[in-house]
Amino acid sequence: EIVLTQSPSTLSLSPGERATLSCRASQSVSSSYLAWYQQKPGQAPRLLIYGASSRATGIPDRFSGSGSGTDFTLTISRLEPEDFAVYYCQQYDSSPPWTFGQGTKVEIQ
Amino acid sequence: EVQVVESGGGLIQPGGSLRLSCAASGFTVSSNYMNWVRQAPGKGLEWVSVIFSGGNTYYADSVKGRFTISRDNSKNTLYLQMNSLRAEDTAVYYCARWNFWYFDLWGRGTLVTVSP
Repeated sequence: EIVLTQSPSTLSLSPGERATLSCRASQSVSSSYLAWYQQKPGQAPRLLIYGASSRATGIPDRFSGSGSGTDFTLTISRLEPEDFAVYYCQQYDSSPPWTFGQGTKVEIQ
Repeated sequence: EVQVVESGGGLIQPGGSLRLSCAASGFTVSSNYMNWVRQAPGKGLEWVSVIFSGGNTYYADSVKGRFTISRDNSKNTLYLQMNSLRAEDTAVYYCARWNFWYFDLWGRGTLVTVSP
């Protein structure tokens, strides 16, 4: 089973700042199957990025994903008030189980 | 409208059983890879189980032997039968559709609380 480790656990930033979130896999992950989700309190996760770098429909271009192999990054270029949330990376390795990272909380400083 | 709606959660004693339902609309459950993903209070997301379109089923080690995923094609509904429930099964349970690349459809979840 591939383990995803996200860092940092919490990121304290101000609106307008740049956020860089890391997701590291215990073994190589196909970029095709690396996704990022945003979750706000009381809501289901929302897809942001799939295939490591493709934005989902309706996602603003301030969100971008990059990386390959074992190291992936989600970048929010300029934080908007609605971006303060928890972010999860997730991978699929051609057969179950699917795994998620433990999450990074982006909070207002 | 394409959506899934979970139901069946509630308060249950340790050792008890519960069946969750996920009613789908706008698409066919049996043609998709349908999953259950859970989230314990204040914790991250944990994949629980999947049923493939062909009928194969898979489970997380934490629930193997206790939970059973199934579907009723006539009702276009996904189920999760949960037996021998433990305190650590307390979570919001989400129904989620896998489109071969990512989870593209999520329900709002149903809360299961396992407590005396």
